[in-house]
Amino acid sequence: GDSVTQTEGQVALSEEDFLTIHCNYSASGYPALFWYVQYPGEGPQFLFRASRDKEKGSSRGFEATYDKGTTSFHLRKASVQESDSAVYYCALGDRAGNTGKLIFGLGTTLQVQP
Amino acid sequence: EAAVTQSPRNKVAVTGGKVTLSCNQTNNHNNMYWYRQDTGHGLRLIHYSYGAGSTEKGDIPDGYKASRPSQENFSLILELATPSQTSVYFCASGDRDWGGFYEQYFGPGTRLTVL
Repeated sequence: GDSVTQTEGQVALSEEDFLTIHCNYSASGYPALFWYVQYPGEGPQFLFRASRDKEKGSSRGFEATYDKGTTSFHLRKASVQESDSAVYYCALGDRAGNTGKLIFGLGTTLQVQP
Repeated sequence: EAAVTQSPRNKVAVTGGKVTLSCNQTNNHNNMYWYRQDTGHGLRLIHYSYGAGSTEKGDIPDGYKASRPSQENFSLILELATPSQTSVYFCASGDRDWGGFYEQYFGPGTRLTVL
C-alpha cells in the first residue's frame, strides 16, 4: 500500500540554522502531498500542500517541492526560530475518490535552541 | 473560535468499561475522521465518515466503533476498553478545497488512559 517515510525522527538546531526534513513517499497513483505541524498540546495543523510534479508549496517561511522523479517532498526553512519547535508530519492524500484519507509519516520532532 | 472540538480532553477508564469520545465540528464538512497517536506509530486512522449516518473502517478499527448521528457530531466508542487503547485520540473534519483536494482540520485531542 501507499506509505510515507520521514528519515529523521528528531532534529536539534540552533536559531537561524537551516532546516531540512526529508520525506519520501511510495504510491500507486499520483497523490497530493502535505506537510502538517503539531505544537505541544494541540492537534496537527495544515501547513501547505502540493498536487503536481515540480509544484512548490510554502507557508510561514517553510517550503517543499513535489518531485515525482525522486518521490520526495522535503521540508526546508532557511532560518529557524525557537517558536518553530514542534512535530512535523509529511502526508499523502488520494487524488481521486471521496474519502479524503491521508497517510501520515511517523513525524519529525524539531527542537530549536535559542 | 475552534472549529473542531473534542470532549472530554482527558479521560481515565477501567479495563472492560465503556468509553465514548465525542467530536463536534462547525466547519460544515462532510467527512470526519478519528485517529490515534502513539509514539513510534504516528497518526493512524481508526474510523471515518462521509456524512450523517455513515461510518467506515479505517486502518486499525478493531476494538472501536463509531457513530455519526449528524453532520456536526462524530463519536468514537470503546465498548470494552483495554490498556492497549491508552493513547491520544484526534478527531478531524475535512472537505474538498478550491483545488479539489481534501484538507483535514484537527481537534485538540483527548488523552485516554485505561487502567
